[in-house]
Amino acid sequence: AQSVAQPEDQVNVAEGNPLTVKCTYSVSGNPYLFWYVQYPNRGLQFLLKYITGDNLVKGSYGFEAEFNKSQTSFHLKKPSALVSDSALYFCAVREGGYNKLIFGAGTRLAVHP
Amino acid sequence: KAGVTQTPRYLIKTRGQQVTLSCSPISGHRSVSWYQQTPGQGLQFLFEYFSETQRNKGNFPGRFSGRQFSNSRSEMNVSTLELGDSALYLCASSQTSFRDSGYEQYFGPGTRLTVT
Repeated sequence: AQSVAQPEDQVNVAEGNPLTVKCTYSVSGNPYLFWYVQYPNRGLQFLLKYITGDNLVKGSYGFEAEFNKSQTSFHLKKPSALVSDSALYFCAVREGGYNKLIFGAGTRLAVHP
Repeated sequence: KAGVTQTPRYLIKTRGQQVTLSCSPISGHRSVSWYQQTPGQGLQFLFEYFSETQRNKGNFPGRFSGRQFSNSRSEMNVSTLELGDSALYLCASSQTSFRDSGYEQYFGPGTRLTVT
């Protein structure tokens, strides 16, 4: 079965510093990987995805993610964090065919002024 | 384009009752998936519908059911509610449900269900 792990419950970053939110995956076959963000009392917003191709994927709001097949990782990054980036971030992998997503437990990002 | 809409946004029910939640996907999207989000279990897949057919089902009891209409709108139903059913129920739509397609899912704001 496919799975993803987000090893950090919370990440604290100072505004203006680079941020990384970690995700590792376990899949059979080629992985379809996604990052979503959730703000309080809101649904999930799509940030970016890796399907195939370049290992560095660029997404919304200045976020990017690096796919690393040898380390089975898909870490989310941003060069300069904003206070408004503070939210709950989820990594997900598509299981099997169709549209079933398996989510990680989520990482709370806190960006301090 | 309008996003995914879910109604109602908040709901309070009593144990033993049943509830129906509604989801309208983004125009042109034919796949609708449902997820349950709780503090203890996180985000869990309930089921997916495409062209009025259930394509996939998660590991939930038969009290959880759903359907999709010809206009792609979807409903999910929970019968004989239990306290543990209290959760945020999220609906997501996608352009397609074909195998090996890489289309992302777009989520609605959710329905917050509280069972007392």
